[in-house]
Amino acid sequence: DQQVKQNSPSLSVQEGRISILNCDYTNSMFDYFLWYKKYPAEGPTFLISISSIKDKNEDGRFTVFLNKSAKHLSLHIVPSQPGDSAVYFCAASASGGSQGNLIFGKGTKLSVKP
Amino acid sequence: DVKVTQSSRYLVKRTGEKVFLECVQDMDHENMFWYRQDPGLGLRLIYFSYDVKMKEKGDIPEGYSVSREKKERFSLILESASTNQTSMYLCASSVLLGRGFQPYEQYFGPGTRLTVT
Repeated sequence: DQQVKQNSPSLSVQEGRISILNCDYTNSMFDYFLWYKKYPAEGPTFLISISSIKDKNEDGRFTVFLNKSAKHLSLHIVPSQPGDSAVYFCAASASGGSQGNLIFGKGTKLSVKP
Repeated sequence: DVKVTQSSRYLVKRTGEKVFLECVQDMDHENMFWYRQDPGLGLRLIYFSYDVKMKEKGDIPEGYSVSREKKERFSLILESASTNQTSMYLCASSVLLGRGFQPYEQYFGPGTRLTVT
């Protein structure tokens, strides 16, 4: 059973508008969440993270929101740029679990159109 | 900068061949991981290692083995390659908590696109 779910395989957004990528999780032991970005033929790169003691973390154009009661997090990109077109993976970890392991969602492919 | 390198970007092998994928990290990370990425399936963990000579099975270890003889190097071995092992293979490393890096952040190599014919 998937513990981290990204239910939208793809998202298309106009340049300059907001991109919202969603992620749901089922394991209440998860206490740290990360977003990775992946271009074709490259390895994923870390984008932004959030601890479960927070509900928001911001870094430039990227903001991650965490709703623990709903077991839901989202990544907002404002404004979206064509260079943001990539696959975005949500990942989660439990500090009491296997040390350092991340559980990844299946990814959402974002296309930002000029 | 953390650097994770993988021995090949592209590899073509025949069914039944023994395949070695090598991964080296230069940041003295304790943890190392092997994933495969397939369209619609995301990143799936094959094996991981917390220390030299230690290994743990991930979600899809069947058909694979690993070796970690040195801290910086983690090898993935396909004992007898099959066509369903055609995939993008990604190596990653991370530190134990408390060493000043972003918690849980894994640093990925560029990937090896393996095709088994």
